[in-house]
Amino acid sequence: AQSVTQPDIHITVSEGASLELRCNYSYGATPYLFWYVQSPGQGLQLLLKYFSGDTLVQGIKGFEAEFKRSQSSFNLRKPSVHWSDAAEYFCAVGGNTDKLIFGTGTRLQVFP
Amino acid sequence: DVKVTQSSRYLVKRTGEKVFLECVQDMDHENMFWYRQDPGLGLRLIYFSYDVKMKEKGDIPEGYSVSREKKERFSLILESASTNQTSMYLCASMRPGQGNIQYFGAGTRLSVL
Repeated sequence: AQSVTQPDIHITVSEGASLELRCNYSYGATPYLFWYVQSPGQGLQLLLKYFSGDTLVQGIKGFEAEFKRSQSSFNLRKPSVHWSDAAEYFCAVGGNTDKLIFGTGTRLQVFP
Repeated sequence: DVKVTQSSRYLVKRTGEKVFLECVQDMDHENMFWYRQDPGLGLRLIYFSYDVKMKEKGDIPEGYSVSREKKERFSLILESASTNQTSMYLCASMRPGQGNIQYFGAGTRLSVL
């Protein structure tokens, strides 16, 4: 079955600390992988995407993610979190159809 | 920049009312989607459309219908709203063959009383 798992429902970090949000997927074809961010009361904004090639991808707002095929993972990282990064983060997978499969999201809280 | 506009940010309706949620995109995208977002459940696909007058059921179509009379506009219809349809509704659009990148509107938070 095709699915995306985000094992952390809620993460709290201090401002300036590093961040890693986990994402594991199950997909029957070569995956396209995405991270989206949703600020409170807003729609989803694309942070970054992986289609092929270099497995470390850079996105907006200083985020990066690494595709590890052997682990079926696509974890999101940021070396130093800012208070404005507080939001909900969604991992998604697609590829062999026009649809995306989304994870259940990880809510990030940032303490000053 | 792609712009996806949802006509209402907040809606309050009564049980049994017919509800229309409207979505317009300005990038001539062929594909449009309606999702429902609930805490702990992520985004669930209700319907999607891959062309004018064409539609396909998603994972949770029960209680919903859609209309796509023009390429830029995709409407979600709740024929008889129920309290369990209280939720955040998100519209997205996409051009096929460009890597599945979906662009989202700001969402409509619907409360059914």
